[in-house]
Amino acid sequence: GQQLNQSPQSMFIQEGEDVSMNCTSSSIFNTWLWYKQDPGEGPVLLIALYKAGELTSNGRLTAQFGITRKDSFLNISASIPSDVGIYFCAGPSFHSNYQLIWGAGTKLIIKP
Amino acid sequence: NAGVTQTPKFRVLKTGQSMTLLCAQDMNHEYMYWYRQDPGMGLRLIHYSVGEGTTAKGEVPDGYNVSRLKKQNFLLGLESAAPSQTSVYFCASRTPGLENTGELFFGEGSRLTVL
Repeated sequence: GQQLNQSPQSMFIQEGEDVSMNCTSSSIFNTWLWYKQDPGEGPVLLIALYKAGELTSNGRLTAQFGITRKDSFLNISASIPSDVGIYFCAGPSFHSNYQLIWGAGTKLIIKP
Repeated sequence: NAGVTQTPKFRVLKTGQSMTLLCAQDMNHEYMYWYRQDPGMGLRLIHYSVGEGTTAKGEVPDGYNVSRLKKQNFLLGLESAAPSQTSVYFCASRTPGLENTGELFFGEGSRLTVL
C-alpha cells in the first residue's frame, strides 16, 4: 500500500542553522502537503505542492516536489525557537478521494 | 473564529467505560475526520464523514463508532474503552475539492488515558 517515509525522525539543531528534511515513497503522488504541529496543538498546513519539480516558499520555508513524484523536501532557513514541533508530509490516497496518507513526522528540537 | 473545537480536552477512563468525544466546526465544511496520534506513528485515520448522515471507516476503526447527525458536528464514541485506546485524538474538517488537495483544519486535540 501507499506509505510515506520521513527522515530524519528527529533532529537537534542550533538556532540559526538551516534544516532539511525529506519524505519519500515507493508510490507516485500527485500532490505533496507539508504540515507543522506545534506542541499541544493540531497540525497546520504550511505548504502544498501540486506539480512535479515545483519549488514553493512560505517565509523561511521552502518545499520541493521531486521530479520523480516519489519524494518531497522541506527546508527551513535560519531556524528560530518557534520552529520546534513535528513536521508531517502527506499526500492523497490513490484508493480514496477523501483520505490523506501521512508520514510519521520529523520532530525538530532546538538545542539549548 | 472558533474553527474546529473538540471537547473534552482531557479525559481519564477506566477500562470498560464508555465515552463520547465531540467535534464541532463552524466553517460549513462537508468533510470531517477523526484521527489518533501515537508517538512515532503519525496520524492514523479512525473514521470520516463526507456529509451529514454519512460515515465511513478509516485505517483503524475497531473499537470506535461515529455519528454525523448534523453537518457541523462529528461524534466519536468508545463503547468499552481499552488501554490500547490511550492516545491523543484529533478532529479535522475540510471542503471538498476537485483534487484531494483541500486543506485540513484540525482541532487542538483530546488527550484520552485509559487505565
